[in-house]
Amino acid sequence: AQTVTQSQPEMSVQEAETVTLSCTYDTSESDYYLFWYKQPPSRQMILVIRQEAYKQQNATENRFSVNFQKAAKSFSLKISDSQLGDAAMYFCAISGTYKYIFGTGTRLKVLA
Amino acid sequence: KAGVTQTPRYLIKTRGQQVTLSCSPISGHRSVSWYQQTPGQGLQFLFEYFSETQRNKGNFPGRFSGRQFSNSRSEMNVSTLELGDSALYLCASSPLVSGSGGYTFGSGTRLTVV
Repeated sequence: AQTVTQSQPEMSVQEAETVTLSCTYDTSESDYYLFWYKQPPSRQMILVIRQEAYKQQNATENRFSVNFQKAAKSFSLKISDSQLGDAAMYFCAISGTYKYIFGTGTRLKVLA
Repeated sequence: KAGVTQTPRYLIKTRGQQVTLSCSPISGHRSVSWYQQTPGQGLQFLFEYFSETQRNKGNFPGRFSGRQFSNSRSEMNVSTLELGDSALYLCASSPLVSGSGGYTFGSGTRLTVV
C-alpha cells in the first residue's frame, strides 16, 4: 500500500523568507508521480508542483522547488521569498492506481 | 477556459435522506475523480471515472455511488445519509486516466448532515 506522511502539522515563515515543508512516502511502484497541492481558505486545491519519479532533476515552478530524494522516499517543498498569499494548507500526494494518496497536510502561516 | 465546476457549493441534509452532487470537468478532460475531505480523516479517495467507466473505488460503503455521463460530467450520490457523511466533497478532472499529469480540482461541495 502507498502512504504519504507529512510530519509538520503547522509551519510559520516571515514574509520574504524561505520555508521548507517535509513529505515522505512509501510505495512499491516503480513508476509514479508526486505532487504538492495548496488549499487556501477558498477550498480549491491548486496544483503547485509535480515531479515524475523517473526524473532525477528536481522540479521548479517560479518560487517553488522540490528536493526529491528517491532512495530516501522524500519529497520536500521549498518556498522562496514567501508571500502573504502563500498562506494555506499544503498537501503532498502520490499517484497510485487510478487515485492519489494524500498526506495529512501542513498549515503554512506567513507572518508580515 | 472554465475550471472544474461543482454544484451546489453548500448543502444541508437530514439524516436518512439522500443527496446528489454534480461535477462538470474542464472541457476535454475525460477523467473525473471524487474525494471526501474531513478534519479527522483528511482526503480520502471515493472513485474515479474515465470515459463513463468506473476505474477504481475507494473504501466507502455502498451508500456512496457515482456515475459519469457521455459529456464527462459526473455525479455522486449518497443514500441514507449519516452524520459522519458531513464533509467537503471535492471533484477533480484530468485529461489522462489516473491524473498522472496532475488533477485540477473544483471548489467542492460542503455537505452538512443534521
